[in-house]
Amino acid sequence: AQKVTQAQTEISVVEKEDVTLDCVYETRDTTYYLFWYKQPPSGELVFLIRRNSFDEQNEISGRYSWNFQKSTSSFNFTITASQVVDSAVYFCARPYYGGSQGNLIFGKGTKLSVKP
Amino acid sequence: NAGVTQTPKFRVLKTGQSMTLLCAQDMNHEYMYWYRQDPGMGLRLIHYSVGEGTTAKGEVPDGYNVSRLKKQNFLLGLESAAPSQTSVYFCASSRAAFYEQYFGPGTRLTVT
Repeated sequence: AQKVTQAQTEISVVEKEDVTLDCVYETRDTTYYLFWYKQPPSGELVFLIRRNSFDEQNEISGRYSWNFQKSTSSFNFTITASQVVDSAVYFCARPYYGGSQGNLIFGKGTKLSVKP
Repeated sequence: NAGVTQTPKFRVLKTGQSMTLLCAQDMNHEYMYWYRQDPGMGLRLIHYSVGEGTTAKGEVPDGYNVSRLKKQNFLLGLESAAPSQTSVYFCASSRAAFYEQYFGPGTRLTVT
């Protein structure tokens, strides 16, 4: 199975709160990539980060950080000091390794609402 | 550098009509994909291409055809539209398999 599970369907926070979006993936592969995408209300899908399974160091980019834990098959995304502009649906994804096409398998997404 | 563009942004079709969605990328990517996004179903792969002149079926190919005559363009055709094809269609491109994909802005299609 190569499923991606985002158990949180919707999260609502008040501006400046920290929020963590959970992602759990299934894999039998020894090496793989993981991704996060953002889909704001305008509808486009924006690539945020790619993570290689070789590298378990946490990644930080401004207010965004990602915690990758191979032992629990999790790749969680934290937004620090959230802002209204962070309101979006966030998708965790991984490539499908069953063929050569490399299409992405997405989780169902977590809708984040940040209220002023 | 426009990235991935899609034409049109919105379209309304009557059942049985045909149309073509155009996707263009200027990143010299080899791989291109068409997905559809439906509420509760997430994104599902329709067709993909691993290079100019090649196409292959994805998860939900029925009712759609594709062509990749030029490396930068990937066309998605609906020969006889059905209400079940009402969806948001996204095109994406990638420099190689299993790498991140860059998405176009989407086409919202309604079939009545």
